Amino acid sequence: GQQLNQSPQSMFIQEGEDVSMNCTSSSIFNTWLWYKQDPGEGPVLLIALYKAGELTSNGRLTAQFGITRKDSFLNISASIPSDVGIYFCAALNYGGSQGNLIFGKGTKLSVKP
Amino acid sequence: EAGVTQFPSHSVIEKGQTVTLRCDPISGHDNLYWYRRVMGKEIKFLLHFVKESKQDESGMPNNRFLAERTGGTYSTLKVQPAELEDSGVYFCASSRRSGGLNYGYTFGSGTRLTVV
Repeated sequence: GQQLNQSPQSMFIQEGEDVSMNCTSSSIFNTWLWYKQDPGEGPVLLIALYKAGELTSNGRLTAQFGITRKDSFLNISASIPSDVGIYFCAALNYGGSQGNLIFGKGTKLSVKP
Repeated sequence: EAGVTQFPSHSVIEKGQTVTLRCDPISGHDNLYWYRRVMGKEIKFLLHFVKESKQDESGMPNNRFLAERTGGTYSTLKVQPAELEDSGVYFCASSRRSGGLNYGYTFGSGTRLTVV
């Protein structure tokens, strides 16, 4: 079945550093999404990407939809302690009755003050 | 507006027992989804309701899992009998529309199920 390969699996960084994570797949998708999960909470949408090549920012977060439609990356600039959590990429093929998201395994981010 | 509500937040049961998880979607959201994350793995789709109808249940692991959505409002997910491999966090999500511009997905906080 369709699968998203997300890397890295975990990151330990110093406050103020920039962070980069990515997702790749052998399948083509029409939508890429990035979620963050805080402990004890559900995933919260950070950025949604709908067009190949699209580059979108949300504050210190920037994400891009790969031109081949098979990958996406998320960058976090100048990390702060509250950036700690698990970041998931997700992808979607829409059309017809399809509505289910496919998720990566997540990137666990730890930020040292 | 109130978010997606799930309960219980935690459940510990013995192998062979039955557990029922409940999800209350955001009012007015016709689409309701169940997902599961087993420790260290990806979040996986289980099924999708549109109102009270099952639109897609291709992700349901086996017939020990039964999902219902009475009257198109809240949904329950029953596991009977529970097995050790059913342990994980079960998430519910709701949205106004499926597919297309899917930014309207809202997840609940999840139910952490532990089968011992």
